[in-house]
Amino acid sequence: AQKVTQAQTEISVVEKEDVTLDCVYETRDTTYYLFWYKQPPSGELVFLIRRNSFDEQNEISGRYSWNFQKSTSSFNFTITASQVVDSAVYFCALLKKTSGSRLTFGEGTQLTVNP
Amino acid sequence: DTAVSQTPKYLVTQMGNDKSIKCEQNLGHDTMYWYKQDSKKFLKIMFSYNNKELIINETVPNRFSPKSPDKAHLNLHINSLELGDSAVYFCASSLTTGWLSAFFGQGTRLTVV
Repeated sequence: AQKVTQAQTEISVVEKEDVTLDCVYETRDTTYYLFWYKQPPSGELVFLIRRNSFDEQNEISGRYSWNFQKSTSSFNFTITASQVVDSAVYFCALLKKTSGSRLTFGEGTQLTVNP
Repeated sequence: DTAVSQTPKYLVTQMGNDKSIKCEQNLGHDTMYWYKQDSKKFLKIMFSYNNKELIINETVPNRFSPKSPDKAHLNLHINSLELGDSAVYFCASSLTTGWLSAFFGQGTRLTVV
């Protein structure tokens, strides 16, 4: 069975603070993909990043960065210098190809960035 | 030129009614999905179609029936709506070759009263 855990239900920070959203996953597969999605108050799901299990290189995109550690089964997401517009629910998700391409989502982390 | 579009965005209906949600993608993807997001924001897959063929059918009441007339469309029909069906329903699409980027529609907020 596969599982994604986002232990932080809610996080509240003040603008310009850095914040890290944790994601821990469980799978027995050796080939899998990890995703992060953003769901702003408007409700749509916005794709942020996909990583495959063979690529542990960390990635940076502007103020966003992702730290993939297979040894701890974690795929954490850091927002540097947070802004009010970053306020959203963030979902981590796991896909294994043998499951018919179904995404297993974590429960989401509500991030609130206060001015 | 929306990639994955769902209609309607909001749907309010009475218990017992039958309703449909439509989904279309213009990305040339061959796999489409329906996900349900409950009141606690938890997202779970309901169905998946690949080239019009059903490949994932989670434990969903028989009142829910997906229909894929072609690989660019996946509609969701719900019979005899119940209060517990109130949720946000998301359509998504991808390529089976690897989910390079999985696109979701904007969601349909269904409220059953």
